[in-house]
Amino acid sequence: QSALTQPRSVSGSPGQSVTISCTGTSSDVGGYNYVSWYQQHPGKVPKLLIYDVTKRPSGVSDRFSGSKSGNTASLTISGLQAEDEADYYCCSYAGNLGVFGGGTTLTVL
Amino acid sequence: EVQLVQSGAEVKKPGESLKISCKVSGYDFSSYWLGWVRQKPGKGPEWMGIIYPTDSDTRYSPSFQGQVTISADKSISTAYLQWSSLKASDTAMYYCARRPDSRTWYVDYWGQGTLVTVSS
Repeated sequence: QSALTQPRSVSGSPGQSVTISCTGTSSDVGGYNYVSWYQQHPGKVPKLLIYDVTKRPSGVSDRFSGSKSGNTASLTISGLQAEDEADYYCCSYAGNLGVFGGGTTLTVL
Repeated sequence: EVQLVQSGAEVKKPGESLKISCKVSGYDFSSYWLGWVRQKPGKGPEWMGIIYPTDSDTRYSPSFQGQVTISADKSISTAYLQWSSLKASDTAMYYCARRPDSRTWYVDYWGQGTLVTVSS
């Protein structure tokens, strides 16, 4: 199970939208609708943002949305805010356990 | 309130054994899969394995199979991750996390993490 591929970094200005991609294979992202996304601030525990590709847990802002096309899933953050600056990780079911992406650092300019 | 409380940081020497714990409260421990995730500094998390406390059904990532043992004690709502012989490369933060729905794959609650440092 190889890690899913994410861009190392993305950036955006307050109020803008950014999209983070997560590319896998037909054995993980493309094979199941079980993609989740987590936000992690430095020194903190990861926080669930999106599950089952598009679903948001209660309490998570609707500025966060997820989608998937083929072997690539995406997380879009709209109306960027300073507190969105963090690391973001995707995760997909891969037939036995899950597999995470390498992470993307979001910088809010 | 759902809580996963992990044991404290550990400093060990290569070759030593270690068992860290994750005590849960606020939900029926036996009814949910509970997993262990490794995160090295500056790297993404990695799934190590997961256990279903009701029957101790355990799944391991190929990368960790044979390297660690995951167990659970239903009587005290606690899961464990153990090593018989630590390596320097085991230095990392380890998290336990709850999988709330066996029909899908994600985790909703995380422990606070246990930092394991292995150094001679």
